[in-house]
Order: sequence, then structure tokens, then C-alpha cells
Amino acid sequence: AQKVTQAQTEISVVEKEDVTLDCVYETRDTTYYLFWYKQPPSGELVFLIRRNSFDEQNEISGRYSWNFQKSTSSFNFTITASQVVDSAVYFCALRDGGSNYKLTFGKGTLLTVNP
Amino acid sequence: GAGVSQSPRYKVAKRGQDVALRCDPISGHVSLFWYQQALGQGPEFLTYFQNEAQLDKSGLPSDRFFAERPEGSVSTLKIQRTQQEDSAVYLCASSLVRLFYTDTQYFGPGTRLTVL
Repeated sequence: AQKVTQAQTEISVVEKEDVTLDCVYETRDTTYYLFWYKQPPSGELVFLIRRNSFDEQNEISGRYSWNFQKSTSSFNFTITASQVVDSAVYFCALRDGGSNYKLTFGKGTLLTVNP
Repeated sequence: GAGVSQSPRYKVAKRGQDVALRCDPISGHVSLFWYQQALGQGPEFLTYFQNEAQLDKSGLPSDRFFAERPEGSVSTLKIQRTQQEDSAVYLCASSLVRLFYTDTQYFGPGTRLTVL
């Protein structure tokens, strides 16, 4: 069975601080896909990144970076120099590589960036 | 281009009423998904369409829930005889290709259903 754990329910930081959101996953598949989505107060889930299990290269996109470590089944997300506009709920999600197209989401982490 | 749109954005229903929630996927997207998001939780899968075919409805919580996509584009999620436990945000997502292992699901803004 698939499972995604986001142990941090809420995080509060001051603007310009760096913040890391943790994600730990469980799956029996050797091929799988990991995602991060952002959900601002408007409610729409905004796609941020997709990672394949066979590609462990870390990725950086502007102020965002992702650290994928298969050895610890983790896919952590770091925001550098946080901004107020980063305030949102962030979800980590998992999809198996087989016929299971369903996304399994964690419970999300509420990030509040204070000015 | 336009993203996934959903209507209404908010719906208040009295217990026992029927409701219909609409989803307009991104133009050309083959796959369409419905998820239910309870307060403070992550979205949970309800059902999946590939074009007009409903390939998986295993996540629908009861037979009061019904979804359709008759022409392979717009989809409607219908809930009959609503109950208070149906209160949640209903999210629709679409993805471009049939090859599910390569695609990314893009979400709409959701419909917040409140059952009184």
C-alpha cells in the first residue's frame, strides 16, 4: 500500500528565512513518481514538480529546490529566502509506476511566511 | 491556455438534497479525475475517466455518488441525498495523455460543498 507522510502540520517563518518541508513515502513499487503541489488560499492545487524514482538528481528552480533520497524514502522541498506569497498548504503526493494512476497525497504542511 | 475550471465554486445544500458539480478540463486532455478533500486533509481519489469511459470508480464513498463524462470533455459529479459527511472540497484534475505513467495531473479550484 502507498503512503505519504508529511510530519510537519504547520510551519511559521519570517520572510527571507529558508524553510524545508519534509515528505516521507512508502511504496512497494520500484518505479514510482513523486509530486509536490501548492494550495494557496484560493484552493487550486498548483503543480510544482514531478520526480521519477529512477532519477535521483536533485533539482533547483529559482528559490525552490528538491532533495530526493531513495535510501531514506524522502522527497524534501526547500524554499530559499521565503516570501509572504509562499504562504500556502504544500502537498507531497505519490503515484506508482504501474497501472495505478491515482495520486496518494500526504496531509499537507501549512506554511505561513510572516513579513 | 485556460486551466481546469469548476462550477459552482461554493455550494450549500440541505441534507437530503441532490447536487451536481461540474468540471471543465483543459482542452484536449484525455484523462479526468475527481478527488475529495476533507478539511485539513489531503485530497483522496474518487474516480477516473479516460475520454468518456469511467475506468475506475473505486474511490466513490457510496452509491449516492455518481460521475459521468458523456462526450469525453465536461464531467459532472452528482451526489444524491446529501449527508453532512459529504461536506468537503471536490477537486477535478485533468491530464493530457493516455500513458498515465508520464502525465501530470492539473487541478481546478475545487467546489466547496457544505451540507447543512
